[in-house]
Amino acid sequence: EVQLVQSGAEVRKPGESLKISCKGSGDNFRNYWIAWVRQTPGKGLEWMGSIYPGDSDTRYSPSFRGQVTISADKSVTTAYLQWSSLRASDNAMYYCARQLSPVYYYYAMDVWGQGTTVTVSS
Amino acid sequence: EIVLTQSPATLSLSPGERVTLSCGASQSVSSDHLAWYQQKPGLAPRLLIYDTSTRATGIPDRFSGGGSGTDFTLTISRLEPEDFAVYYCQQYDSSPLTFGGGTKVEVK
Repeated sequence: EVQLVQSGAEVRKPGESLKISCKGSGDNFRNYWIAWVRQTPGKGLEWMGSIYPGDSDTRYSPSFRGQVTISADKSVTTAYLQWSSLRASDNAMYYCARQLSPVYYYYAMDVWGQGTTVTVSS
Repeated sequence: EIVLTQSPATLSLSPGERVTLSCGASQSVSSDHLAWYQQKPGLAPRLLIYDTSTRATGIPDRFSGGGSGTDFTLTISRLEPEDFAVYYCQQYDSSPLTFGGGTKVEVK
């Protein structure tokens, strides 16, 4: 059974950097796109971008391009989401999720991590 | 960007009832690339339906999806106690992928 396990809740100050992780189990981790999704009470669910761990090909939503960096290390079957300078508006729950099809750049998401809460507060 | 609008925002129903949720797209979603998710408090979303009408692994057959173009539906034929939750539609036809605002199905 494929599982995605995310790193724990984080509390940071505005302007600080942060990198959260999503570790996948199973040999096929590198062959499926991994998406990052933000959830907030105000804006709901938002796709941030997706990465193909096999070659680190990455696609970003225009809303998040330049605001975050998505990366992956296939040797440890882990995807990452990082910020160089956090803002209060980054307060949210962040999910990683596996895209169901290994063929398409974009697809439905069938396996989700448990979520990582990011709190940015001075 | 394809905007997805879900209606209504909240539905108050009783166990055993049949419910149909709606999802409207601002432009045509070709290739039927539309999915439905269920989310319960404190948990991640769970994939129910993809490609408009294909049930995900382990999803009971009381859940069914339909529609095409700009109008899509999720039907629950008979509400079970565990079905009270928030439901989201999502399109993956074009980037950026987008989600609807959700419909909450609550106990009447």
